[in-house]
Amino acid sequence: ETGVTQTPRHLVMGMTNKKSLKCEQHLGHNAMYWYKQSAKKPLELMFVYNFKEQTENNSVPSRFSPECPNSSHLFLHLHTLQPEDSALYLCASSQVTATPSLYGYTFGSGTRLTVV
Amino acid sequence: TQLLEQSPQFLSIQEGENLTVYCNSSSVFSSLQWYRQEPGEGPVLLVTVVTGGEVKKLKRLTFQFGDARKDSSLHITAAQPGDTGLYLCAGRAIQGAQKLVFGQGTRLTINP
Repeated sequence: ETGVTQTPRHLVMGMTNKKSLKCEQHLGHNAMYWYKQSAKKPLELMFVYNFKEQTENNSVPSRFSPECPNSSHLFLHLHTLQPEDSALYLCASSQVTATPSLYGYTFGSGTRLTVV
Repeated sequence: TQLLEQSPQFLSIQEGENLTVYCNSSSVFSSLQWYRQEPGEGPVLLVTVVTGGEVKKLKRLTFQFGDARKDSSLHITAAQPGDTGLYLCAGRAIQGAQKLVFGQGTRLTINP
């Protein structure tokens, strides 16, 4: 496998369920991100991990709980979600270097989440 | 909060036509990137521009970074159906340079 892989691709869950999204990067990058993409809104940064340490939580509700066991894997644990949480959840990775302006993000294909 | 405004939000044109998409902000960015996202996929990086006034070409796509590093444009010449997708600009602030701020996107449809 190459690039950034996200599973599952689609997820339908009830408001009382607990589920997890998984992201794996095969690029040797040292930073990973969770973004939320909703219709008619810009991509919203949720969490940033550098060298598996969380460096940013963008005021995300506690019903979203990230986990980064190592630099290659990132999880997003979901519980008691609301219908407005339905969106495309994108994982990305990048290589943070001394010249941060130059590097880009590599995104996974996303998980389309529907909360019913 | 740094915001990036993209215009137009939607654009539908015929194959062979030219088009320009704009990305504007009141803030200065250390660099700006353009991504293209196709249905069911994540965004894919097209280009990074760093220097004010910089112009980069990628086949039929021309990217320009404004002199003041507050705006950027993407021009497509002789558009093809394969250019269809959501185009996103993303800026990196002077401070906190790791984080990318995204515009809301321009949804482009090229009709055969």
